[in-house]
Amino acid sequence: GQQLNQSPQSMFIQEGEDVSMNCTSSSIFNTWLWYKQEPGEGPVLLIALYKAGELTSNGRLTAQFGITRKDSFLNISASIPSDVGIYFCAGLRVNDMRFGAGTRLTVKP
Amino acid sequence: KAGVTQTPRYLIKTRGQQVTLSCSPISGHRSVSWYQQTPGQGLQFLFEYFSETQRNKGNFPGRFSGRQFSNSRSEMNVSTLELGDSALYLCASSLTDRAAYLDGYTFGSGTRLTVV
Repeated sequence: GQQLNQSPQSMFIQEGEDVSMNCTSSSIFNTWLWYKQEPGEGPVLLIALYKAGELTSNGRLTAQFGITRKDSFLNISASIPSDVGIYFCAGLRVNDMRFGAGTRLTVKP
Repeated sequence: KAGVTQTPRYLIKTRGQQVTLSCSPISGHRSVSWYQQTPGQGLQFLFEYFSETQRNKGNFPGRFSGRQFSNSRSEMNVSTLELGDSALYLCASSLTDRAAYLDGYTFGSGTRLTVV
């Protein structure tokens, strides 16, 4: 089925910079999730969003559930080298879960 | 508590062969889902099992099959391997079905399959 549109595909940033990535869809989702995957490991859940307009933080990470329910955003503030990895968004609705293709983040010390 | 365990971690197979991958969910979890991850396609849903029954299936050919045992452990099988089957195969487990229990939807580390 149609996956979510996640951008950017990759980012190369300096340590200390802020990062923004987003996920969009032509369809409405009831829940948005953000995962991080490090090399050789499976994705790990970072943030879950359940309500349109919701803004949720987890340390330096902040994610928002778009008002239209068709998009979500993830921001990382003051990036550090251990933030490297691939970040995935996932949208969920009844009996359907879709993933974005991921944003590969590289942080230069 | 132990996480989701996938075995083997790495596998190299020849075209035309078949392969079986194993996933042991978190203790008490009854739902296991399988995904194929490739650089170009991202995470593609294969199928979901709950209480030994296949609940949902993704858009993959019949060469991809799976099953779940009474102890919730799951296996997936790929027959007549093709070069394009090279990927990281991830399984995820949750207490109930994947659509209803996202906070507890936990991925394993995956099996990296290389078809030569």
